[in-house]
Amino acid sequence: GQNIDQPTEMTATEGAIVQINCTYQTSGFNGLFWYQQHAGEAPTFLSYNVLDGLEEKGRFSSFLSRSKGYSYLLLKELQMKDSASYLCAAFASGSARQLTFGSGTQLTVLP
Amino acid sequence: DTGVSQDPRHKITKRGQNVTFRCDPISEHNRLYWYRQTLGQGPEFLTYFQNEAQLEKSRLLSDRFSAERPKGSFSTLEIQRTEQGDSAMYLCASSLGQTNRLSGELFFGEGSRLTVL
Repeated sequence: GQNIDQPTEMTATEGAIVQINCTYQTSGFNGLFWYQQHAGEAPTFLSYNVLDGLEEKGRFSSFLSRSKGYSYLLLKELQMKDSASYLCAAFASGSARQLTFGSGTQLTVLP
Repeated sequence: DTGVSQDPRHKITKRGQNVTFRCDPISEHNRLYWYRQTLGQGPEFLTYFQNEAQLEKSRLLSDRFSAERPKGSFSTLEIQRTEQGDSAMYLCASSLGQTNRLSGELFFGEGSRLTVL
């Protein structure tokens, strides 16, 4: 089975940096994904980590530690449009090649 | 628009009625997924197709739910004898399953929101 935990809500200020943590337990592991979902919209892909370390993509970075079952998403230079739900998802091998999502972290960016 | 499209976007129905949702994936994608999402939760996996073959169904998918992908292109999700607990957003996603990374990068449709009265 799989279990994915992330904080329910976070608040940060425009221009700041925020780190959203995710811990996971999977029966097999083959990658950790982050998706962004604005209210009423479809989730959109942000990042993918399969090896330990930091992957940077513009203002967003994602980190993975497989030994600790831990990932984080780092958002820099926050903008108001970054207010959204951020979904951590684990891709487990041996299953139906399907992603299991956490409940999402609702980020609110304040002016 | 070459993304994943879903129809209808909204459906209100009375308890006990049947509803059907349609999903048209990105044309070259061979994998198609159905997820269900309720307010404040992440998407929950329902079922998955590779081409026309339905390869896995979640325990969440009761016998009132059936999904098809007859020609390996569009898919339908039917819910029979709807219950109020079926009220949710039904998301369809597709992917190009050649590597683990690509099969994990799902492209979601906008969803079909079901309200059962």
